[in-house]
Amino acid sequence: DGGITQSPKYLFRKEGQNVTLSCEQNLNHDAMYWYRQDPGQGLRLIYYSQIVNDFQKGDIAEGYSVSREKKESFPLTVTSAQKNPTAFYLCASSIRDGAYEQYFGPGTRLTVT
Amino acid sequence: QQPVQSPQAVILREGEDAVINCSSSKALYSVHWYRQKHGEAPVFLMILLKGGEQKGHDKISASFNEKKQQSSLYLTASQLSYSGTYFCGTDSAAGGTSYGKLTFGQGTILTVHP
Repeated sequence: DGGITQSPKYLFRKEGQNVTLSCEQNLNHDAMYWYRQDPGQGLRLIYYSQIVNDFQKGDIAEGYSVSREKKESFPLTVTSAQKNPTAFYLCASSIRDGAYEQYFGPGTRLTVT
Repeated sequence: QQPVQSPQAVILREGEDAVINCSSSKALYSVHWYRQKHGEAPVFLMILLKGGEQKGHDKISASFNEKKQQSSLYLTASQLSYSGTYFCGTDSAAGGTSYGKLTFGQGTILTVHP
């Protein structure tokens, strides 16, 4: 079954700790994206990557970092510099660019206290 | 800048129709439509591309006015399963190249009652 997976589904951390969210896809997609969603809000782009070993900042990249060492994997690290990290994080992938649909993973709900 | 969706919320009876609008201040390369149910991932509905191409589900229809940078999603003969939050995502392909960098609207909450 092809798809995109995120783990864990729920994550709890203490303030000041870095945390890494996993995103894996077996769709052979070139492009991958990370979004943040706050209650009652739309999705906001954190980082995106069109190719292995290359990625670009989205609209709200401050306090986050990513890597793209393999085509299938695009982990997101929420650092202690992110002032308000509690949110629902969604990873997505697509064949290539804006002419193709984005497939979303099930999301990780991060709570930082 | 974030596209503006209207209305913010719609309540329907099964079988009724609805239109959801999405308006951008930028010239657009593509408009994407997704539906999200509470606590779940967004699900793809439709892509409308500059030049007229459309890709999506057979039961969903939409329009894209490139001159006005506006798109509308048409939901006809609504079913209970249509309930959820509908988002448009716009790609302005800044610099002339699209990277699939979508900016999403704030969402339209659709509730369908029996």
